[in-house]
Amino acid sequence: DAGVIQSPRHEVTEMGQEVTLRCKPISGHDYLFWYRQTMMRGLELLIYFNNNVPIDDSGMPEDRFSAKMPNASFSTLKIQPSEPRDSAVYFCASSSRQGGEAFFGQGTRLTVV
Amino acid sequence: RKEVEQDPGPFNVPEGATVAFNCTYSNSASQSFFWYRQDCRKEPKLLMSVYSSGNEDGRFTAQLNRASQYISLLIRDSKLSDSATYLCVVNILIQGAQKLVFGQGTRLTINP
Repeated sequence: DAGVIQSPRHEVTEMGQEVTLRCKPISGHDYLFWYRQTMMRGLELLIYFNNNVPIDDSGMPEDRFSAKMPNASFSTLKIQPSEPRDSAVYFCASSSRQGGEAFFGQGTRLTVV
Repeated sequence: RKEVEQDPGPFNVPEGATVAFNCTYSNSASQSFFWYRQDCRKEPKLLMSVYSSGNEDGRFTAQLNRASQYISLLIRDSKLSDSATYLCVVNILIQGAQKLVFGQGTRLTINP
C-alpha cells in the first residue's frame, strides 16, 4: 500500500495568495483527518471526515480555511487568503475504523511570506 | 486545562538507561490510547496502542490507569535510535464522533 499521499511536499507562497493542499488517503479508510503542526501549538486537529462527510470542523481556525472531500480517495484543504501565521506543517491522516490508529502522510510544509 | 498533557521534557539520557514518560488526559469518555513517535521533520508514526491491562512490545511498555486518567510509556535499555519526540494520543468519542487528540510531545535524546 502506498500509504497516505500528500502534495505538495513544500509550498512557499506570498501573503494573500490562495493555497491548496491535497491528500489521498489509504484505500478503504473511512476516516480522514487534517492536522496542523507548529512548534508553539503542537499537532492541532483542524477537521475530519467520515465517509466523505465533515464531522468536526471546530479546529478550523477561521473562515479563510476550508476543506472538502469530493470522493473517498481525495481531499483538499484550502487557505484563502493566506497569511504568514499560517506557516506550519499540514498533515493529512486516515484511519480504517472509529477509535483506531491514524496513518499520516509525509506532510506539506507551508511557508507564507 | 489541555485535553492531553505530557511531561514537557526534553529528556537527555545515556544509552542503555531506562526512561519513562507520563501523560494525563482530561476527558473521561476517552476510548482508546496510543503512543506515537515522530522523528525530526517526519510524520508521526504509531509506536504502540495502550490497553487497559498494560502491554509490552520488546523494550517498550505502556500502561493505562483509567481511574487516574493517566498513561505511561517505559523504554528499557535505550538505544541511540530511540531519539525522537514521543506523542501521547487519546481518542475521544463525543456524540458518536471520534476525535484524535495529541499531546505536545516529549523530546528524547539518547546520548552515546
